[in-house]
Amino acid sequence: AQTVTQSQPEMSVQEAETVTLSCTYDTSESDYYLFWYKQPPSRQMILVIRQEAYKQQNATENRFSVNFQKAAKSFSLKISDSQLGDAAMYFCALQGGSEKLVFGKGTKLTVNP
Amino acid sequence: DTAVSQTPKYLVTQMGNDKSIKCEQNLGHDTMYWYKQDSKKFLKIMFSYNNKELIINETVPNRFSPKSPDKAHLNLHINSLELGDSAVYFCASSQVSHLGIYGYTFGSGTRLTVV
Repeated sequence: AQTVTQSQPEMSVQEAETVTLSCTYDTSESDYYLFWYKQPPSRQMILVIRQEAYKQQNATENRFSVNFQKAAKSFSLKISDSQLGDAAMYFCALQGGSEKLVFGKGTKLTVNP
Repeated sequence: DTAVSQTPKYLVTQMGNDKSIKCEQNLGHDTMYWYKQDSKKFLKIMFSYNNKELIINETVPNRFSPKSPDKAHLNLHINSLELGDSAVYFCASSQVSHLGIYGYTFGSGTRLTVV
C-alpha cells in the first residue's frame, strides 16, 4: 500500500519570504513519482512540480523546488519569494508503478501581506 | 480549450434523487478517474477506467455507477442520494508513456450538495 503524510495542516508565510511544506511517504515500489498539487480557492487542482524517484536531482519550477530525500522517504516543497497568489491548499501525492495517485491530507498555506 | 471539463460545476439536490456528473477530456489520455474530496479536503479515488475498461473500483457504495462510453468520456451516476454524498467530485485523466508518468490533469470539480 502507498501512503502519504503531510504533518502540517496549516502554514503561514510573509510575502516575499520562503516557506517549506513537509511530506513523507511510503511505498514498496522501486519506480515511482512524487508530485505537489496546488488547490486555490477556485478549487482547481494545479500540478506544481513533479519528481521521478530514480532521479537524484531535485526538481525545480521557477520559485518552487523540492528537497527529495529518497532514503528518508521525504519530499518537501520550498516556495521562494512567496506571493499572495501562492495562498492555497497544497497536496503531496505519490504514484508508484501502475498504482493510483494517492494524496496526503494537504497543507493550507496562508500568505500574509 | 479546456483539457478536462466537468458538468455541472454545482449540483444541489434532495435526498433520494438520482443525478449524473459528466466528464470529457480532449488530451487523448487513455485513463480517466473519479476522485471524491470530502469536507476536510481529503482526496480519495473512487474509480478508474483505462480505454473504457474499469480498472480501479475502490470501496464505494454501489449507488455510484461510472460509465465510460469511450476513452474521452467518463460519467458518474449516483442513485438514491444521501446527505453523506455531499462533496466535491473531481474527474481526472492521465497518460503513461515510455517517458514516464506526468501526473493527472484534473477537471474543475463538481460541488454536490444533498439537502
